[in-house]
Amino acid sequence: DAKTTQPPSMDCAEGRAANLPCNHSTISGNEYVYWYRQIHSQGPQYIIHGLKNNETNEMASLIITEDRKSSTLILPHATLRDTAVYYCIVRVGGGGADGLTFGKGTHLIIQP
Amino acid sequence: DTGVSQDPRHKITKRGQNVTFRCDPISEHNRLYWYRQTLGQGPEFLTYFQNEAQLEKSRLLSDRFSAERPKGSFSTLEIQRTEQGDSAMYLCASSLASGWGTEAFFGQGTRLTVV
Repeated sequence: DAKTTQPPSMDCAEGRAANLPCNHSTISGNEYVYWYRQIHSQGPQYIIHGLKNNETNEMASLIITEDRKSSTLILPHATLRDTAVYYCIVRVGGGGADGLTFGKGTHLIIQP
Repeated sequence: DTGVSQDPRHKITKRGQNVTFRCDPISEHNRLYWYRQTLGQGPEFLTYFQNEAQLEKSRLLSDRFSAERPKGSFSTLEIQRTEQGDSAMYLCASSLASGWGTEAFFGQGTRLTVV
């Protein structure tokens, strides 16, 4: 699976949009971009995934650049409960959790 | 609670002892995954099952680690002759088999401390 690069930490004010970048310049054509988050002392939580089109669900939006070498996860109105480590993962195929490579992620801190 | 359940939540054991952890997946999920997470790191994949078949076990950390899912429902992860380096959070997840809309759901983990 392709490697991802994320900033180690970010701050965002409560109520503002949180934009989390991810670089995956070696992504292959059949690899999806996944985002998970992990709130302190809990297991990871699936957020969203996409192949090449932008995706939106009730939690977040995923914007993938046209060349697919980077993406941005957007939390539109961040709350204190969104403070967590966010992981960007690239893998072949859709669905499942076999062989996910989590890396160290971005620690997002929402400030009141 | 219909989520992934792990038991125990915490385990303290002496070095050299064997430990076993249990994972109960979401009932209709046929895939079950085990991960390990050490302090400050992201989760690390260990193994997974589809129903009772173990489809990947080459990532288990050593031959002291083994996992079973005998009836395709709950699973156990056993560590024999524990070492201090085994201290970590052990996470279980479940999902439907790969396809669209088959995201994985993780449990809250079992925290192992080897003293």
